[in-house]
Amino acid sequence: QQQVKQSPQSLIVQKGGISIINCAYENTAFDYFPWYQQFPGKGPALLIAIRPDVSEKKEGRFTISFNKSAKQFSLHIMDSQPGDSATYFCAALINTGTASKLTFGTGTRLQVTL
Amino acid sequence: DAGVIQSPRHEVTEMGQEVTLRCKPISGHDYLFWYRQTMMRGLELLIYFNNNVPIDDSGMPEDRFSAKMPNASFSTLKIQPSEPRDSAVYFCASSLSNRSGLKLFFGSGTQLSVL
Repeated sequence: QQQVKQSPQSLIVQKGGISIINCAYENTAFDYFPWYQQFPGKGPALLIAIRPDVSEKKEGRFTISFNKSAKQFSLHIMDSQPGDSATYFCAALINTGTASKLTFGTGTRLQVTL
Repeated sequence: DAGVIQSPRHEVTEMGQEVTLRCKPISGHDYLFWYRQTMMRGLELLIYFNNNVPIDDSGMPEDRFSAKMPNASFSTLKIQPSEPRDSAVYFCASSLSNRSGLKLFFGSGTQLSVL
């Protein structure tokens, strides 16, 4: 059962363009939505995160847009650069009070061309 | 801090052999996670520990998989006997719980190939 659906599977963007990756979830108990970036041969690393009480969060060229009613959130990479070429994972966290569980989307492979 | 340390980086073994993957979390972190990554299934949570206690092992694919955390600075994931379909990259991650969310720090992974 896939609790976090991510699209597209792969994305090619020209340098300077905007990269957009989308995620959708069903469980309204999720209360924290991070994005992770993974380069080949490395583990994923936290890029940016948002809580559902906020509709947008921006850090440099990276922005998360969050639509609570639609249960969707997206990552926007402005002025995309070749160094942004990586796999991006959205994720969603459930806190049960005694434990926390993070579920990942299936990933989007981004390639930024010159 | 050196970050999360996993060993070995690569493991090639034959079907039926026992495989042990090792992880040293970041000092002071109270959560430890084992994930498996494949092209088909992405990042799958296998099991996680809080304060060395297994909290949720529902992601462990079958009884051939087991994980232990004997102390706060060491965890193992064991596969016995291994099968070709276990070939994947296995990641360990650790985190410090806080009210603002859960920030996972991943190791570099163990690339497992079962022939």
